[in-house]
Amino acid sequence: AQTVTQSQPEMSVQEAETVTLSCTYDTSESNYYLFWYKQPPSRQMILVIRQEAYKQQNATENRFSVNFQKAAKSFSLKISDSQLGDTAMYFCAFMKLDSNYQLIWGAGTKLIIKP
Amino acid sequence: DTAVSQTPKYLVTQMGNDKSIKCEQNLGHDTMYWYKQDSKKFLKIMFSYNNKELIINETVPNRFSPKSPDKAHLNLHINSLELGDSAVYFCASSLDSYGYTFGSGTRLTVV
Repeated sequence: AQTVTQSQPEMSVQEAETVTLSCTYDTSESNYYLFWYKQPPSRQMILVIRQEAYKQQNATENRFSVNFQKAAKSFSLKISDSQLGDTAMYFCAFMKLDSNYQLIWGAGTKLIIKP
Repeated sequence: DTAVSQTPKYLVTQMGNDKSIKCEQNLGHDTMYWYKQDSKKFLKIMFSYNNKELIINETVPNRFSPKSPDKAHLNLHINSLELGDSAVYFCASSLDSYGYTFGSGTRLTVV
């Protein structure tokens, strides 16, 4: 069975700093998808970034980028020039191709951006 | 236009009552889900429907019953509410592997 581990329950950084959230996963699959979701205090779940495992290029979305290391089964999220609005819970998730698109979720990392 | 809308946003009710949460998506997605998020923010899938057919039914009490009248709607009915049912419930929809679109959640408080 697949598992997703986020080893940092909580992190805090100063505004404008760069922060990296870690995520590791366990799978025997070769093709899959990985996601980062953000949940701000408003509780809305927002898709931040999506990575296809068969693509070596790391996905980026504006200030958000990932470091995808397939052999190490690592999928970290980097937030550059952090802003107060980045304060949120961040969830890493794994999707197997033939899984009825079910997501396997990590426990989340609470990120606090300090002014 | 809200892509995935669920109502109500807040629900406070007494133990033993029956309540429903409604969910509708206007994205044309084939698959819809119900998730429960506990006080520690852990997300647990409850049910998944694909084109009105139940495809995922995790271990949840029989008091929880999903209903999908069409592929754009997935409602959740809860009988005989218990204190432990207090949580945030999320509806979501998806199209293939592109990830989920979530509703804004329903905070259920059982007193």
